[in-house]
Amino acid sequence: SQQGEEDPQALSIQEGENATMNCSYKTSINNLQWYRQNSGRGLVHLILIRSNEREKHSGRLRVTLDTSKKSSSLLITASRAADTASYFCATVQVTSGSRLTFGEGTQLTVNP
Amino acid sequence: DTAVSQTPKYLVTQMGNDKSIKCEQNLGHDTMYWYKQDSKKFLKIMFSYNNKELIINETVPNRFSPKSPDKAHLNLHINSLELGDSAVYFCAGASGLGAQETQYFGPGTRLLVL
Repeated sequence: SQQGEEDPQALSIQEGENATMNCSYKTSINNLQWYRQNSGRGLVHLILIRSNEREKHSGRLRVTLDTSKKSSSLLITASRAADTASYFCATVQVTSGSRLTFGEGTQLTVNP
Repeated sequence: DTAVSQTPKYLVTQMGNDKSIKCEQNLGHDTMYWYKQDSKKFLKIMFSYNNKELIINETVPNRFSPKSPDKAHLNLHINSLELGDSAVYFCAGASGLGAQETQYFGPGTRLLVL
């Protein structure tokens, strides 16, 4: 089965609200990364959090990592219509070198 | 300037044909990847090259053959195309083999096999 599983699969919110997406994984990791994919486009890296880190911020993004629960969350604050996209978590497992294993993604829709 | 570029962007072809997708990166990265994204948006790694050497080869039919003529290019050749090969194929680059590396993705090649 996949390393990363995300929930919810789809999330629809109003502009200005916060959006929280969760990711769970199964095996020990070196790091966990979040990517965004706009419709019909490639993936764009958002944030990387190492296994020894618990929280990381980048602009309106906040990522947490709980290695004891094997889970991560991505929070987007004060969302904008332009944040509408699919968001993927991807893990680099301890045993897999630089291989990224992706979750199924969360489709976020921010309504203006 | 585009960091990772792919051609073509769209590819429509008949079953049984042979086709190639090209990928070029101008970031000076050592490592390049091919991913396949299916209709449910699930992304799966296919191949990885580091300095022209194959380092990851997932369980992919041998109809798929990657070729890396130099560090900046990783092309994907597909023989005897099948309906199930329809997907979006993404090329990506990373600056090294290390576990902390961010990957930079190309815009994707949308392959439709009829």
